[in-house]
Amino acid sequence: DAGVTQSPTHLIKTRGQQVTLRCSPISGHKSVSWYQQVLGQGPQFIFQYYEKEERGRGNFPDRFSARQFPNYSSELNVNALLLGDSALYLCASSSQGAASYEQYFGPGTRLTVT
Amino acid sequence: AQSVTQLDSQVPVFEEAPVELRCNYSSSVSVYLFWYVQYPNQGLQLLLKYLSGSTLVESINGFEAEFNKSQTSFHLRKPSVHISDTAEYFCAVSDSYNTDKLIFGTGTRLQVFP
Repeated sequence: DAGVTQSPTHLIKTRGQQVTLRCSPISGHKSVSWYQQVLGQGPQFIFQYYEKEERGRGNFPDRFSARQFPNYSSELNVNALLLGDSALYLCASSSQGAASYEQYFGPGTRLTVT
Repeated sequence: AQSVTQLDSQVPVFEEAPVELRCNYSSSVSVYLFWYVQYPNQGLQLLLKYLSGSTLVESINGFEAEFNKSQTSFHLRKPSVHISDTAEYFCAVSDSYNTDKLIFGTGTRLQVFP
């Protein structure tokens, strides 16, 4: 079975631009979470979506937004990019309700803002 | 609010030696505790988790962690490390209301030398 997939793998953007990152969860998983991992730090929670509704939001500015589609895939959008947005963006999926309490992470999208 | 502290940013150790990676957490509610491992240029993989029951949990590759409520700790141990254990290790906590919202520590880089 395919794991969590993310696209693109890498991208480079300029300050002020907008970016969209994509995530496909494991088949059957209805919960998707997004994390930002700045170099040398642990991942920080950005959003969680379950059944297309936002279930949780971390301490990130309104420039960050996300959505989940009927097939449970998800997009993370970041507007007005800043240099500090450079990071590895991780997507994780889980089968909430199965009591496994385990998130499966994708390989991440490396965003570089210049 | 919850937080996780990993006091050691780097732990160098020789192959076949024992290792302990320290993790302390802070929370006003009951928590679930996790250890994730991140190999270079990869996403996070769950190593082990504590939800309830026995305070000693084990992984399939020889790691173990013990939940200590009085000391609010969840240290990771392995009696004999291998070169292949070289990686970044993250301790994480979630509350029982939303297990998909993980709060991570800053990580510990385990470097195993031959």
